[in-house]
Amino acid sequence: ETGVTQSPTHLIKTRGQQVTLRCSSQSGHNTVSWYQQALGQGPQFIFQYYREEENGRGNFPPRFSGLQFPNYSSELNVNALELDDSALYLCASSRGRTSQETQYFGPGTRLLVL
Amino acid sequence: AQSVTQPDIHITVSEGASLELRCNYSYGATPYLFWYVQSPGQGLQLLLKYFSGDTLVQGIKGFEAEFKRSQSSFNLRKPSVHWSDAAEYFCAVGFSGGYNKLIFGAGTRLAVHP
Repeated sequence: ETGVTQSPTHLIKTRGQQVTLRCSSQSGHNTVSWYQQALGQGPQFIFQYYREEENGRGNFPPRFSGLQFPNYSSELNVNALELDDSALYLCASSRGRTSQETQYFGPGTRLLVL
Repeated sequence: AQSVTQPDIHITVSEGASLELRCNYSYGATPYLFWYVQSPGQGLQLLLKYFSGDTLVQGIKGFEAEFKRSQSSFNLRKPSVHWSDAAEYFCAVGFSGGYNKLIFGAGTRLAVHP
């Protein structure tokens, strides 16, 4: 069984640019959640996609957007990058959208904004 | 509002010693509780979870946690720590608002002395 994978592993961008991060969910999982983990902090929920639709969103501005594809892989897009967007971005997949479903995390993409 | 507090930012123990990592939560209903571990360069790995039933739950790698409703706590324990347990540990509560969102604490970094 293949776990959750993310690409790229590291990325450097400059302020104002746009970035796309990718996530492949675990086999059999139809729900993907994205989290932002700033240095020295716990992960913060950005949003969740269930069967290709946004199912819930945390306290992040609209310049954070996402997509989920028919094979349940997902993208996180961030427009107009700011220095504070520098963080580890984690993707997690689960079998369903309820809180009882265990989330399995990928290794993350580390984004540095200069 | 739901929140998770991990009072200890950094803990150092000797190899073979016992370990207890503290976690307190604020939640209006019966919570779903999780402990995850994060090693450098890796994503979050689930150690154990509590949904209901027996308040003492067993996890992987010899870890256990006890849910105490009266204290709003879910402390993680291990009777004998191994050097490979050095990592960052996160407590999380599952949000039951219709989507699968985890609210994480800020984490406890564990160092193990030989």
